[in-house]
Amino acid sequence: SAVISQKPSRDICQRGTSLTIQCQVDSQVTMMFWYRQQPGQSLTLIATANQGSEATYESGFVIDKFPISRPNLTFSTLTVSNMSPEDSSIYLCSVVRGNTEAFFGQGTRLTVV
Amino acid sequence: AQSVTQPDIHITVSEGASLELRCNYSYGATPYLFWYVQSPGQGLQLLLKYFSGDTLVQGIKGFEAEFKRSQSSFNLRKPSVHWSDAAEYFCAVGAGNNDMRFGAGTRLTVKP
Repeated sequence: SAVISQKPSRDICQRGTSLTIQCQVDSQVTMMFWYRQQPGQSLTLIATANQGSEATYESGFVIDKFPISRPNLTFSTLTVSNMSPEDSSIYLCSVVRGNTEAFFGQGTRLTVV
Repeated sequence: AQSVTQPDIHITVSEGASLELRCNYSYGATPYLFWYVQSPGQGLQLLLKYFSGDTLVQGIKGFEAEFKRSQSSFNLRKPSVHWSDAAEYFCAVGAGNNDMRFGAGTRLTVKP
């Protein structure tokens, strides 16, 4: 298994500001994944963060809006930039073990007002 | 790419009744299949997974799922639902390359 610590667990932010979400894993992993879960929706992959290289973004997500850092093999951050109410979602980080099983952080519930 | 369909957005069952949540997948090869549960305000917890072998897999909390290749299905079942099972359930399919796709989710309400 994997223990993933994600913070903050929730936040209420003003539109136009930015929020950085942190994700700490209890052991080294090559790839970390960031998902968005909009209200009442399923999980949508934002990007894959590899240590030592640029993150790979899915269609509809761009680096300017969701910059990601991956400074080492146990840590990653996702920033939600220039926020608008449409960014209100749960953001989750995830790692995959054994090339198959995904483990998730507790999620960050973001409300933009 | 693989995809997952969960036909039921919301299901309500009485406590003690049996439960079946449907999941259909699309993938050209043998998939890796998962069921996750998300309780209110919580992250996702893995209930069970199927990689190969016995098509009936047992998970935590008394859940089981059966892989039926002919129907491209991986339905989740529980013989007797408890009030604490009320949550959102997600079916997911992986291609073995760290690429996982999630279904839209099924919200389970348990009536007393």
